[in-house]
Amino acid sequence: AQKITQTQPGMFVQEKEAVTLDCTYDTSDPSYGLFWYKQPSSGEMIFLIYQGSYDQQNATEGRYSLNFQKARKSANLVISASQLGDSAMYFCAMISWGAGGTSYGKLTFGQGTILTVHP
Amino acid sequence: DAGVIQSPRHEVTEMGQEVTLRCKPISGHNSLFWYRQTMMRGLELLIYFNNNVPIDDSGMPEDRFSAKMPNASFSTLKIQPSEPRDSAVYFCASSFGTGGRDEQFFGPGTRLTVL
Repeated sequence: AQKITQTQPGMFVQEKEAVTLDCTYDTSDPSYGLFWYKQPSSGEMIFLIYQGSYDQQNATEGRYSLNFQKARKSANLVISASQLGDSAMYFCAMISWGAGGTSYGKLTFGQGTILTVHP
Repeated sequence: DAGVIQSPRHEVTEMGQEVTLRCKPISGHNSLFWYRQTMMRGLELLIYFNNNVPIDDSGMPEDRFSAKMPNASFSTLKIQPSEPRDSAVYFCASSFGTGGRDEQFFGPGTRLTVL
């Protein structure tokens, strides 16, 4: 079974500062991927960034980067130069599949972290 | 290209009534997912389909809930009879369903209120 744990129910950061949102995962499958989604107060779910288990480098997408530490089973999201518009709920999610198997695209989501950016 | 389309966006109904939520996935996507989100329980996967076939419905809370996908471009989630505890935001999402970098694209959600 797959599990995603986000231990920070809420985080606060000052505008223009960097912030790290924690995510740990657990799976017995050899192949997997980690995703981060953003859900602003308007409710939509927005894909931010993806990291594959065999990717050699940490993923980056603009101000978002994923600090992937495979041995520690962590996939923390780093947001640099926070903006007021970054205030939202952030979800970590995982997809995994065994040898010869398929996941059909099923994601396992964490409970989310609410990020508040102060001016 | 249009994203995932859900209707209605808001639904208010009375306890005991039948509710049908609709979803049109992104063209070419093979997997479709129904989620429910509440403050208490977070984001829950209810059921998902691959190539129109239900793969796992273990997240469906009760027999009052049913879902169908008659073709690749349409799915419904039905609650009959509805209860106040069914009040939530229901999301539909779709993906290529092949594994790997297979991000799900979410619809805007349907906010259901059962009085």
